[in-house]
Parts: sequence; C-alpha cells; structure tokens
Amino acid sequence: DTAVSQTPKYLVTQMGNDKSIKCEQNLGHDTMYWYKQDSKKFLKIMFSYNNKELIINETVPNRFSPKSPDKAHLNLHINSLELGDSAVYFCASSRDGRGGYGYTFGSGTRLTVV
Amino acid sequence: DAKTTQPNSMESNEEEPVHLPCNHSTISGTDYIHWYRQLPSQGPEYVIHGLTSNVNNRMASLAIAEDRKSSTLILHRATLRDAAVYYCILKGNTPLVFGKGTRLSVIA
Repeated sequence: DTAVSQTPKYLVTQMGNDKSIKCEQNLGHDTMYWYKQDSKKFLKIMFSYNNKELIINETVPNRFSPKSPDKAHLNLHINSLELGDSAVYFCASSRDGRGGYGYTFGSGTRLTVV
Repeated sequence: DAKTTQPNSMESNEEEPVHLPCNHSTISGTDYIHWYRQLPSQGPEYVIHGLTSNVNNRMASLAIAEDRKSSTLILHRATLRDAAVYYCILKGNTPLVFGKGTRLSVIA
C-alpha cells in the first residue's frame, strides 16, 4: 500500500478553471503538508496542517486553499488557475510537526495550466 | 529554520563510498539534522536524521560533528540508483525548508 498517495498524477487544465488535488496518507500521521516545486526545481512549503492548526505560507495566493475532511486527507483546491501555477505539487505527512520525525512524500501531481 | 550550506554538485564512482558534506554553523540546540533525496521525476525521500549522535540506517550513515556545526551523509557503496539531489535540512518545530541541495552524479 502506498503510504502517501496523490491523485491525479497529471492534470492539464485551462486558465481560469478551478481544480482540486487529493492527498491521502495511511501512516496514522497527525500532520500533513503541501509543497510546490517550480520549473527551477525549488521546493517550497505551501501549507502545514494538523487537526488543530493550519499554517499558511504567507506567499501563497488565497486562490489556494487546503481542505481536510479527516486526519488522513489533505486536499488542495485551486481557484482561477493561472499560468504561473504550473508546477509539481507534493503532499507529505509526518507523525507530528516536531523536529524528530521524518516526512513521507507522495509522488507528486504535475499541474499544467494552458 | 537555520540555514545549511552544501556543495552544488558532487561526483562519485559506482560502488565507492560517498561523503556528502553540510555546514550549519548557526544550528540551534533543538534543531535536528535531516537528510532527504529526490531522484529524477520522483518526490523527496527521507534518508536519515539525527540530533547529536551519529546515526546509521539501511540507506546511509549520518556523522555529526561534536560542535554540531557540520554533518556528513555517508553512502557506503554508491549505486547508479543513488544519483539524486540530496538535501540537508535543519528541522525544528516548523515545516521542512528545502535549499538547493547537492546534485550527486554516479559514474558506472
């Protein structure tokens, strides 16, 4: 069983559309994250979330919103997609947010906005 | 999180040991040292982490300097599959912040 799974793996869509990327973890972790990797390969944290607190990177546009129906899922909703949103998005989870625990990443969703 | 400094790239021959250095002179007492790698077209993969003592696991070893201002990730026998970008990250209670990492090339 895949520990952190993302769907879809590829997503091609037009500017202005609204789309969602789903993430599920079966590790029993308390904290989940979304990262964005742009064309220059820099990985940037977008959100971190546990069942108590959502921490948003202040540079993330408010068109992006995470939604967590339960502890095992953290979906990413994107409104009014722009060309600059094209990137690979990675979901991750960890036992909790403290330094002594490693992260498990999903295999990524490649979003292309045309 | 405090910053780390890694070489942009390194090269190794297959089946030889590889020592990937990382400097983190501004590390705080509660920061853990984490290493991740990202193979081409894949998500980042946890490799190892430690606080003060050296650590070993099935993938690698982590050697931490006594003053904790530097560390070295050791791959005991590099294989072609180890070609990746390796990230050294200091981790406190905030999310992992990735730098540019070291691109490791393995030559057959």
